[in-house]
Amino acid sequence: ETGVTQTPRHLVMGMTNKKSLKCEQHLGHNAMYWYKQSAKKPLELMFVYNFKEQTENNSVPSRFSPECPNSSHLFLHLHTLQPEDSALYLCASSQRLAGGYEQYFGPGTRLTVT
Amino acid sequence: GDSVVQTEGQVLPSEGDSLIVNCSYETTQYPSLFWYVQYPGEGPQLHLKAMKANDKGRNKGFEAMYRKETTSFHLEKDSVQESDSAVYFCALSDGGSTLGRLYFGRGTQLTVWP
Repeated sequence: ETGVTQTPRHLVMGMTNKKSLKCEQHLGHNAMYWYKQSAKKPLELMFVYNFKEQTENNSVPSRFSPECPNSSHLFLHLHTLQPEDSALYLCASSQRLAGGYEQYFGPGTRLTVT
Repeated sequence: GDSVVQTEGQVLPSEGDSLIVNCSYETTQYPSLFWYVQYPGEGPQLHLKAMKANDKGRNKGFEAMYRKETTSFHLEKDSVQESDSAVYFCALSDGGSTLGRLYFGRGTQLTVWP
């Protein structure tokens, strides 16, 4: 595997379910990010991790719970979601958590909440 | 705060037409500027970048000049191809920041007619 991978690619879940999204980066990067991409809205930064420590939580509801066990893996645990949480969830990584470094994105998980 | 405004909605040139997608930014710092491209079913990927004023980013016939005096980073191409069809995002990263945050525009859907 190369780059940033995400699983699953598609997920349908009910409002009472609990599920997790997984991201893995094979680039040796130190910073990882979760974004939400909804139709007609700009990319929304959700969480930032640097050397597996959370550095930013962008006012995300507690029904989204991130986990970063090491610099290569990032999870997003989901529970009691709402239909408006349906979106494409993108994981990204960058070499360093500093300005000027580009971010590398995974293909995303298309989430549908029913 | 930092922000990016770009041509919104769809741009519908024919193959062989020239293209300009506008991008203007606001920041009090020293940004690096990026264009990302997103194809259907994929995450955004870096298309080109410019790290400082008067730098020109280039990729696959596209160019963008980092103009500090007009705070702009317009994406240009002399002759577009059908394969260029995608969503393009302008983004900035605060070069003096330790947060590594990318500020994205809302995206421009480029659809090139054959």
